Amino acid sequence: AQSVTQLGSHVSVSEGALVLLRCNYSSSVPPYLFWYVQYPNQGLQLLLKYTTGATLVKGINGFEAEFKKSETSFHLTKPSAHMSDAAEYFCAVSLLSSGSARQLTFGSGTQLTVLP
Amino acid sequence: NAGVMQNPRHLVRRRGQEARLRCSPMKGHSHVYWYRQLPEEGLKFMVYLQKENIIDESGMPKERFSAEFPKEGPSILRIQQVVRGDSAAYFCASSRGTVNYEQYFGPGTRLTVT
Repeated sequence: AQSVTQLGSHVSVSEGALVLLRCNYSSSVPPYLFWYVQYPNQGLQLLLKYTTGATLVKGINGFEAEFKKSETSFHLTKPSAHMSDAAEYFCAVSLLSSGSARQLTFGSGTQLTVLP
Repeated sequence: NAGVMQNPRHLVRRRGQEARLRCSPMKGHSHVYWYRQLPEEGLKFMVYLQKENIIDESGMPKERFSAEFPKEGPSILRIQQVVRGDSAAYFCASSRGTVNYEQYFGPGTRLTVT
């Protein structure tokens, strides 16, 4: 079974400050890992994904995440927060089994607030 | 290229009524997934379908819920005899395949049961 834990349901940062959103996963097989962003009353938008290869993944809007197998983590960072980054962020894992990746298992989400 | 479309965006039903949620995948996508988001929670997988086939329904409640993805037309998530606990946002996602293909999400249908 796979699971995702997001530490901190609410994170507040000042505009221009570093954004760090934490995600840990458990999986018995190599996972695919994803970060999604959800703005109010909208669907989820993919920020970035890790499948194989380079462990530092760059995504849209200046976000990046690093897959650390030894720590079973996939934390999301952005060097400088912008007001438009305020949203809810979800980490998700998808099992890579028999060459296919299907259902996503989501964490409970982290609401990011950016203070002026 | 239009994204994943869901309708209606908002649906209000009284207890005991039926709710039908529709999802049109992105052009060229033949894989559809349904997820439910309860208030203050993350999304939970419900069902995965390909055209005319249910591939994985391990997340679907055993009763009152059903899903289909016919050869022609949108995918439908059907909830019979709705109860207050069914109030949630229901998201549909689609993908081109399953290997190395990300899922693209629709805007969701917010179901309120009164």
